[in-house]
Amino acid sequence: EVHLVDSGGGLVQPGGSLRLSCAASGFTFSTYWMTWIRQAPGRGLEWVGNIKADGSEQYFVDSVRGRFTISRDNAKNSLHLQMNSLRAEDTAIYYCVRNLRGDYAFDYWGRGTLVTVSS
Amino acid sequence: DIVMTQSPLSLAVTPGEPASISCRSSQSLVHSNENTYLDWYLQKPGKSPQLLIYLGYYRASGVPDRFSGRGSGTDFTLKISRVEAEDVGVYYCMQGLQNPFTFGPGTKLNIK
Repeated sequence: EVHLVDSGGGLVQPGGSLRLSCAASGFTFSTYWMTWIRQAPGRGLEWVGNIKADGSEQYFVDSVRGRFTISRDNAKNSLHLQMNSLRAEDTAIYYCVRNLRGDYAFDYWGRGTLVTVSS
Repeated sequence: DIVMTQSPLSLAVTPGEPASISCRSSQSLVHSNENTYLDWYLQKPGKSPQLLIYLGYYRASGVPDRFSGRGSGTDFTLKISRVEAEDVGVYYCMQGLQNPFTFGPGTKLNIK
């Protein structure tokens, strides 16, 4: 059974950094694109960025490009989101998500981890 | 960026009755490979979103056949043939044609 366990969220001051992690199990992690999606409190869904199965390509929404990076360790079935220069508007639940095929459609979601950026 | 809109933003449906949600994109979601990159997701209260429909009309694994996706180009519809109590939540359409992938604002479905 596929499991995605997000972790690493918490309270951070504006300008600070945080690293989110996602532990994957139940599938061949190294063959799937992975994605991070966030949801601000009471708001809709926002695609943050994704990473190719072999880690060779990453793409981001404009609002986080240059501040966020995505990495993966296929030997350890883990995905990471490094968030730097955090802003209040980055406050959200961050979901680790598996892509169904290629880089589209999201068939498995973690439970999410809450990031709060506040002084 | 491709802008996604949905209507209505909320609806209340009697159990057993049909429901329909519309989604429109600011540009065609048809790829040169002839696939249409439009998905539908449902976020039940307090839960992570779940995939219902991908590539316009393919039902995801385990999704009941009362859910169906239709449409092409820029206009799409999610239809629920007979609404059940467990269908409450927020429905999102999403385009997967080009980065950044973008979601519609969501349609909240309640039971009458």
